[in-house]
Amino acid sequence: GAVVSQHPSWVICKSGTSVKIECRSLDFQATTMFWYRQFPKQSLMLMATSNEGSKATYEQGVEKDKFLINHASLTLSTLTVTSAHPEDSSFYICSATDREWSNQPQHFGDGTRLSIL
Amino acid sequence: AQSVTQLDSHVSVSEGTPVLLRCNYSSSYSPSLFWYVQHPNKGLQLLLKYTSAATLVKGINGFEAEFKKSETSFHLTKPSAHMSDAAEYFCVVSLGDMRFGAGTRLTVKP
Repeated sequence: GAVVSQHPSWVICKSGTSVKIECRSLDFQATTMFWYRQFPKQSLMLMATSNEGSKATYEQGVEKDKFLINHASLTLSTLTVTSAHPEDSSFYICSATDREWSNQPQHFGDGTRLSIL
Repeated sequence: AQSVTQLDSHVSVSEGTPVLLRCNYSSSYSPSLFWYVQHPNKGLQLLLKYTSAATLVKGINGFEAEFKKSETSFHLTKPSAHMSDAAEYFCVVSLGDMRFGAGTRLTVKP
């Protein structure tokens, strides 16, 4: 089945550093990838929708300059948390859709747990 | 706009007894509906999906869900719970982008 790989799975860093998270579709081409944020014991909140070759569409309240998204190819999207602070600590999950079937469910990565000290 | 409401934040059942996780949706058009399961510190795994075909949808691990348009519901059921079913379950409605319910934590007692 379709597989989405997310890396790293866990990262701890100091406040003020930038962290890059990668999301790859391993066996299909995904024109659209999604980035979610999940706080403990809460649901997933969509942060942005990333389309290959174009600028990401951010949800209301998500800072574009804080969460930089790049989707340079049909198999890779990256999320960079710039100048991270403790309040950015969260579980970040990416997903991707197969471009041929827009009605198909998204395939999710295993998530990245980000802890900012 | 579409949204989804999971009626129970926590459900506890005994192993071997039936599971019912409730979900109601709101959508201007005929949506696609999904159930996902998330185990601790893991991503999401698709259990089943409804995309305007059969109203009774069978998924993996013995789960199924019935789409009831008159009740705007898409409840998830399983005849007999297993310990490995303990996890967080999300009902999702989609008209292109996905909107997640708040989640239902399923606990299975031995």
